[in-house]
Amino acid sequence: EVHLVESGGGLVKPGGSLRLSCAASGFIFNGYNMNWVRQAPGKGLEWVAHISGSSATTHYAESVKGRFIISRDNGKNSLFLQMNSLSDGDTAIYYCARVRADGGRGPLDYWGQGALVTVSS
Amino acid sequence: EIVLTQSPATLSLSPGERATLSCRASQSVGSHLAWYQQRPGQAPRLLIYDASNRATGIPARFSGSGSGTDFSLTISSLEPEDIAVYYCQQRTDWPVTFGQGTRLEIK
Repeated sequence: EVHLVESGGGLVKPGGSLRLSCAASGFIFNGYNMNWVRQAPGKGLEWVAHISGSSATTHYAESVKGRFIISRDNGKNSLFLQMNSLSDGDTAIYYCARVRADGGRGPLDYWGQGALVTVSS
Repeated sequence: EIVLTQSPATLSLSPGERATLSCRASQSVGSHLAWYQQRPGQAPRLLIYDASNRATGIPARFSGSGSGTDFSLTISSLEPEDIAVYYCQQRTDWPVTFGQGTRLEIK
């Protein structure tokens, strides 16, 4: 059974940094592209970043480009999101999600339960 | 950026009724459109991919249709557990984008 479990969320001050992790199990991790998607309190879904199975390709939303870095460690079945220069607008639940096998850019067929990131002074 | 516009914003129906949710794209996305269900307090769940294909384990009462710029998600007979926000998503081009969501309420 596919499982995705995020960790590393918490409270951080504006301008600070945080690193999210996502532990994957139940599938051949290096065979799948992975994404981060976020959801601000009471708002809709916003795609954040994408990484290919081999890490050769990454893509970012304009709102996080230059501040966030998506990466993965296929040997440890783990996905990461390094978030720098955080601001209030980055406050959200961050979900890691698996891209369906033949999907390229999507769809996202499995999601974690989410990690809450709160940016506040 | 491809903008997805969902309508209506909120839909209130009774159990057993048919629900039709719409998603319109600002430019053609072919059939590269997915639908997700997000129940209160839960992560999103994939319902439909490539416009009309049900994801694994999704009940047959959920169906998707459309191509190009106009898409629909239909729930043939509402169940109480269908209370959720439904999002469409396109994967034709970067950035991947979501619609703003339709909230489905059960009377």
